[in-house]
Amino acid sequence: AQSVTQPDIHITVSEGASLELRCNYSYGATPYLFWYVQSPGQGLQLLLKYFSGDTLVQGIKGFEAEFKRSQSSFNLRKPSVHWSDAAEYFCAVGAKAAGNKLTFGGGTRVLVKP
Amino acid sequence: DGGITQSPKYLFRKEGQNVTLSCEQNLNHDAMYWYRQDPGQGLRLIYYSQIVNDFQKGDIAEGYSVSREKKESFPLTVTSAQKNPTAFYLCASSPGTEGQPQHFGDGTRLSIL
Repeated sequence: AQSVTQPDIHITVSEGASLELRCNYSYGATPYLFWYVQSPGQGLQLLLKYFSGDTLVQGIKGFEAEFKRSQSSFNLRKPSVHWSDAAEYFCAVGAKAAGNKLTFGGGTRVLVKP
Repeated sequence: DGGITQSPKYLFRKEGQNVTLSCEQNLNHDAMYWYRQDPGQGLRLIYYSQIVNDFQKGDIAEGYSVSREKKESFPLTVTSAQKNPTAFYLCASSPGTEGQPQHFGDGTRLSIL
């Protein structure tokens, strides 16, 4: 069965500082991976996805993520955080062999200090 | 604009009552999903449907039921058998093919009176 771990439950970062959110997955075959963001009381918005090809993927709102097969990781980064980036972030993994269902990590809540 | 509409945004249930959450999409997606979100637990899959008139149980289907009579609609009923229904419920849809992301509605928050 596939699984996703987001080791950091909460991260606090100063506005203008860089941000990195960790995501580790477990799956035997090559998965496809997503990062989503959720504001309080809202649904999830897709930030970026990795399916194949270039392992460094660019997303919306200035986010990027790098797929590292050897480390089973798909970490999300942003060079300079804005106050509006305060939200909860979810990593998700899917695979054709799993019926294209997604498995989500537990989420990382990001707080931005002024 | 294409998207997913969940209604109502807030819902209250009395003990022993069934309630139905609505989910409608106009994205022409084949697959639809229902998730439950509790604080600190991420999203857990309740039911999913990959095609009209067919659906499968997810990881936490007990106490829930669904139907998929139309491509654009996937209502979720929270039955009285669900003993802890207070949660945030999210509906999603996708083309259902490999590598495609799921698109989410804005959710329904269900509380017990």
